Amino acid sequence: GEDVEQSLFLSVREGDSSVINCTYTDSSSTYLYWYKQEPGAGLQLLTYIFSNMDMKQDQRLTVLLNKKDKHLSLRIADTQTGDSAIYFCAESIKGSYIPTFGRGTSLIVHP
Amino acid sequence: ETGVTQSPTHLIKTRGQQVTLRCSSQSGHNTVSWYQQALGQGPQFIFQYYREEENGRGNFPPRFSGLQFPNYSSELNVNALELDDSALYLCASSFERANYGYTFGSGTRLTVV
Repeated sequence: GEDVEQSLFLSVREGDSSVINCTYTDSSSTYLYWYKQEPGAGLQLLTYIFSNMDMKQDQRLTVLLNKKDKHLSLRIADTQTGDSAIYFCAESIKGSYIPTFGRGTSLIVHP
Repeated sequence: ETGVTQSPTHLIKTRGQQVTLRCSSQSGHNTVSWYQQALGQGPQFIFQYYREEENGRGNFPPRFSGLQFPNYSSELNVNALELDDSALYLCASSFERANYGYTFGSGTRLTVV
């Protein structure tokens, strides 16, 4: 099975909060990341969290990590139409510097 | 500070041909990673180069090969192209194989017909 799993689609209304979820399998994950990909573009690192942290907040973004359940989430407050994109969860394990990506969640924001 | 640039942006090749994709890393970065992103999928790791040496390889056959040059730019070569090689090829650079701070280029869209 996949090392990193995400739901494929999320639809929200502009101004609402979006929560994108991810599960991973490797308990030795060191860093967990969220990347954003807009149409026709490469990946942009949004934020990352070290595995000994539970939460990280950066302006409208909040990352929650439940290490016991191997569950990572990204909350986007006050979602805007410009947030419409594909969001990828990724992990890298201790001793490796190479992120492994999920399939991505397509976020669609309706006006 | 320039970002990661990839060339060409789009490419069409015939099955069985060979292709070379190029990547210029961000200024100050000495590590380059290549990923293949098929339509509707997440990026799959191909290989990484650190200081001109291969530093890890994903589950790709030997017909996928690479190089890194003294200026840390990189090439991805694919021989004997197959239809399934059609994908977006992404290059990412980082400093000292960092666990964070990968900067991605916009990719090369390869279509094999």
